[in-house]
Amino acid sequence: GESVGLHLPTLSVQEGDNSIINCAYSNSASDYFIWYKQESGKGPQFIIDIRSNMDKRQGQRVTVLLNKTVKHLSLQIAATQPGDSAVYFCADLSGADGLTFGKGTHLIIQP
Amino acid sequence: KAGVTQTPRYLIKTRGQQVTLSCSPISGHRSVSWYQQTPGQGLQFLFEYFSETQRNKGNFPGRFSGRQFSNSRSEMNVSTLELGDSALYLCASSSGPHRYNEQFFGPGTRLTVL
Repeated sequence: GESVGLHLPTLSVQEGDNSIINCAYSNSASDYFIWYKQESGKGPQFIIDIRSNMDKRQGQRVTVLLNKTVKHLSLQIAATQPGDSAVYFCADLSGADGLTFGKGTHLIIQP
Repeated sequence: KAGVTQTPRYLIKTRGQQVTLSCSPISGHRSVSWYQQTPGQGLQFLFEYFSETQRNKGNFPGRFSGRQFSNSRSEMNVSTLELGDSALYLCASSSGPHRYNEQFFGPGTRLTVL
C-alpha cells in the first residue's frame, strides 16, 4: 500500500546548526501532514502540521515545507539544541485508516 | 490537565496467552486511537473509537480488538499472542473525530511476548 517515508534513518548535526529532516510521500490524495517528535521512553509528540493548500508553515524554531509537485515534505529546526535529540516522524492522514507514519529519522546532536 | 495515561507500562506474556491494555484519554476527549510500534514496521494504526463506536480499523488480524467505554476510556485486547506481537502499543486521544484534530499520545505499553 502507499505509505509515507523518510529519506534517512539517522541525521547528525552540530549544536546550534539548523537541521533539515526530509520525508517523501506517495499518496497523491494526501491532504494533511504532521510532524511528530518521539523521545526515548515517550509517545510521539506533535510538532507542527500542514494542510495541502499550503506550502510553508512556521512554528517556534520549526518550519515545515510541502512540495506537492514532487510529493516531498521537510522539517527544518533552527539552532538545534540538545533537547531536540529524538526520532522524528512524518505522518499523513489522507485515508480513513488513521495516521500513516514514516519509519522515522533519529536526530543526533553533537556538542 | 493530565495527559493520556496507559496501563500497564510494561507487560511480559507468553505465546498463546491473551492481554488487555488500558488507555485513559485526556479529560474531555472522546476519540481514542491505538497504534502498534515495532522497529521493523514502525508505527501502524490499529483502530479508532469515538463515542463507544469503532470508526476505523487498520490492517491487523481479528486477534486484535478494542472497545471504548461511556467515560471514553478504552481497552485493547490481543488474543492468542504471537512472538511478533511484541511491541510498544500507543494510545492517542483527541477531542473529536474530525480529521484535523490534534492527537495526543500516551507513553505506551511495552508488551514482550516470550
